[in-house]
Amino acid sequence: EVVLTQSPATLSVSPGERATLSCRASQSVGSNLAWYQQKPGQAPRLLIHSAFIRATDIPARFSGSGSGTDFTLTISSLQSEDFAVYYCQQYNKWPPVTFGPGTNVDRK
Amino acid sequence: QVQLVQSEAEVKKPESSVKVSCKTSGDSFSSKAFSWVRQAPGRGLEWMGGTIPIFGTPAYSAKFLGRATITADASTKTVFMELRSLRSDDTAVYYCARGDYYESNGYYSGPFEIWGQGTLVSVSS
Repeated sequence: EVVLTQSPATLSVSPGERATLSCRASQSVGSNLAWYQQKPGQAPRLLIHSAFIRATDIPARFSGSGSGTDFTLTISSLQSEDFAVYYCQQYNKWPPVTFGPGTNVDRK
Repeated sequence: QVQLVQSEAEVKKPESSVKVSCKTSGDSFSSKAFSWVRQAPGRGLEWMGGTIPIFGTPAYSAKFLGRATITADASTKTVFMELRSLRSDDTAVYYCARGDYYESNGYYSGPFEIWGQGTLVSVSS
């Protein structure tokens, strides 16, 4: 099973600042890596798939990079609505699909 | 606009079973991949299993193999997840999610583009 590790667990950021989130896989997943945003009481929302492709209607301030085992989600200029928990997910040949433990982006 | 509408919250006793439904509106059903993901209170996301209705056989996380059953009814565009032998630590919000599938020496789900609203299952004596 591919284990995903996310860092940091919590990231404290001020609005307008850049946020960089990391996701590392225990073995290569190619580019089969997605990022999701989840706010309290809501279902997750797909932000990025295939490591770097923004999902429909996702603002350009969200970008993804990486391949193989090391991936990054960058929010170029954090907006107030971006405070949330972010999960990475690998979908490289189920079963299983696995998620990282999440990074909580909160207000500094 | 495609939506996934899940069944209502359930309260169950330990050792009982629960069956959660997920009805999809809009376009194609059988040629999409559906997964079930759960989230215990204050915890992260946990994939339970999924199915691609056009190919039939579901895939399960090892943790749920033998205790969960995922089925799909193309006539009603509904996917179901049944979980048996419930325990208190099965208390969670259960989500269905949908995406495209891809082929690579087999057929696999892609990312989860659309999610249901979630169904809270509470297990308590």
